[in-house]
Amino acid sequence: EDKVVQSPLSLVVHEGDTVTLNCSYEVTNFRSLLWYKQEKKAPTFLFMLTSSGIEKKSGRLSSILDKKELFSILNITATQTGDSAVYLCAAGGATNKLIFGTGTLLAVQP
Amino acid sequence: NAGVTQTPKFQVLKTGQSMTLQCAQDMNHNSMYWYRQDPGMGLRLIYYSASEGTTDKGEVPNGYNVSRLNKREFSLRLESAAPSQTSVYFCASSNRVGTEAFFGQGTRLTVV
Repeated sequence: EDKVVQSPLSLVVHEGDTVTLNCSYEVTNFRSLLWYKQEKKAPTFLFMLTSSGIEKKSGRLSSILDKKELFSILNITATQTGDSAVYLCAAGGATNKLIFGTGTLLAVQP
Repeated sequence: NAGVTQTPKFQVLKTGQSMTLQCAQDMNHNSMYWYRQDPGMGLRLIYYSASEGTTDKGEVPNGYNVSRLNKREFSLRLESAAPSQTSVYFCASSNRVGTEAFFGQGTRLTVV
């Protein structure tokens, strides 16, 4: 059965800290790993990763995929209160299924 | 740019009532999805449609039916609502396998 597992479930940090969020997956005919940020409403897209070892970067956020060990990490440096959200990881397979993990709730305190 | 539009935004049903959640996308995407989100459970896939004319079960399909009416529209039907179906429902679409999925704003459904 396809599954995506995220850790930790929740995290509290102070502004300026660096955080690492983890995502492991088991998906039939894996094609891609996606990261989303969810605040009050719908998830918004952050990254899509398809190749191992290639870091994707956007400002203070970066992510990398390890297809051998079946995991991805999302790093956020110099965290700000605006980074407080649920971070969701999803894995896509060849049949177009897109399976999400339970998410990591990040709280950044001033 | 509308993107993915869901209706209604809020709904309260009595146990046993039926209803259809509507979803439409204007991005010419091939794939569409229905998810439910419960506290601490992330997004769970109910049904998806890889392309027009096809639908497949996801992780939690029981109690739901779907229709891919055309390339733009993908509806979710609850035939006999139960309190366990109280949740926030999200529709999403993507262009092709494993690419970015765009989400609607969600429907908050309460079954009493």
